[in-house]
Amino acid sequence: QSVLTQPPSASGTPGQRVTISCSGSISNIGSNTVIWYQQRPGTAPKLLIYSNNQRPSGVPDRFSGSRSGTSASLAISGLQSEDEADYYCAAWDDSLHDAAFGGGTKVTVL
Amino acid sequence: QVQLVQSGAEVKKPGSSVKVSCRASGGTFNSYVVNWVRQAPGKGLEWMGGIIPMSGTANFAQKFKDRVIFTADESTTTANMELSSLRSEDTAVYYCARCLYSSSWYLAFDVWGQGTMVTVSS
Repeated sequence: QSVLTQPPSASGTPGQRVTISCSGSISNIGSNTVIWYQQRPGTAPKLLIYSNNQRPSGVPDRFSGSRSGTSASLAISGLQSEDEADYYCAAWDDSLHDAAFGGGTKVTVL
Repeated sequence: QVQLVQSGAEVKKPGSSVKVSCRASGGTFNSYVVNWVRQAPGKGLEWMGGIIPMSGTANFAQKFKDRVIFTADESTTTANMELSSLRSEDTAVYYCARCLYSSSWYLAFDVWGQGTMVTVSS
């Protein structure tokens, strides 16, 4: 049981916009910034978004993040086949004094 | 650009210990935190803790604090994670990862090792 809740799957056709939610609580998302990772099969995770909505250099602007209250979301616009991967949200949890991760969302490009 | 290169796969017996190493190639750790994250087969990511090699300061996830040791050797630019009292549930890929910010425990990791598969089986 993950501290942050994500839908197990999401899908879309090429060019569509897909949104992934990440639900938490006041002690994690409500108090600390959210990070998003992308993980393609058999590879290490890749930093996609940090500080709720900041993209590291090299990450396409098709990826965007937002946070509102105790929830966050990752949007992928102009979906491409290479976006097929697992996506994880993360945030520090002040009550647990520990890192909180979502269970991951598998994005399928139809 | 620094890369993190990890040691090879391990097969261990229940109750034993495993040590995974992570070497910085093409640079040093400087004052960046080296974190350790694991992923059981078909499961999500789990932060174990980390160490600042320059100072030796370590931080531990509550779940692992009694079983894990983090060490680092700046002369060889290597960080190590040793997990003891292994059980089958510890079977996972173990990653080292560097924080985006220097001297920060922030959970944004921009450089990752390739992962080390640890299998615990009798």
